[in-house]
Amino acid sequence: DIVMTQTPSSQAVSAGEKVTMSCKSSQSLLYSENKKNYLAWYQQKPGQSPKLLISWASTRESGVPDRFIGSGSGTDFTLTISSVQAEDLAVYYCEQYYDTPPTFGGGTKLELK
Amino acid sequence: EVQLVESGGGLVQPGRSMKLSCAASGFTFSNYGMAWVRQAPTKGLEWVATISYDGSSTYYRDSVKGRFTISRDNAKSTLYLQMNSLRSEDTATYYCTRASTGHYFDYWGQGVMVTVSS
Repeated sequence: DIVMTQTPSSQAVSAGEKVTMSCKSSQSLLYSENKKNYLAWYQQKPGQSPKLLISWASTRESGVPDRFIGSGSGTDFTLTISSVQAEDLAVYYCEQYYDTPPTFGGGTKLELK
Repeated sequence: EVQLVESGGGLVQPGRSMKLSCAASGFTFSNYGMAWVRQAPTKGLEWVATISYDGSSTYYRDSVKGRFTISRDNAKSTLYLQMNSLRSEDTATYYCTRASTGHYFDYWGQGVMVTVSS
């Protein structure tokens, strides 16, 4: 199985701050035939279901604010929130769907400083 | 609006069975693969099983193979998860999800709690 490692596990932030979080995979998620990275990001707020933010490493879902930016390729990926808002406090998970079984990282929890 | 509504969870003894259902609406159910993803209390997300749009292909994580069966009824727009020989480690919130291209999950239900305990 592909292992997904997210760092940090938690991060204390202030509103307006720029935040970056990392997701690394144990093997490349870049499919050579279509040049796509099979990596998604999800946001899970307390007491809620996860919500898809980004697919294909950098494609934002409809309705997701443009302060959420996915980047990276191969084995190293980053989710950036350009200016954190109070409503962004949540746990963020990455998921690889390059191979079966799809696997998730352990999550990065954003907390208020 | 896409809606996925799970039902059928609760408390069950180890070794017993339980069947989860997920009623889908707001999209053409028969055009999409569907999946179950679970989350143990205070833990991360774990994929359980996926079924193709027509039910012809199914995929399971190793720990549930031979015990869980994913199925669907496209006429009723409903997804199922039959869980047999339940273990304490199956205790989790189970989410019904729509599987978009590949195996990422673009819509999630509210989740249903399954507790396996004597």
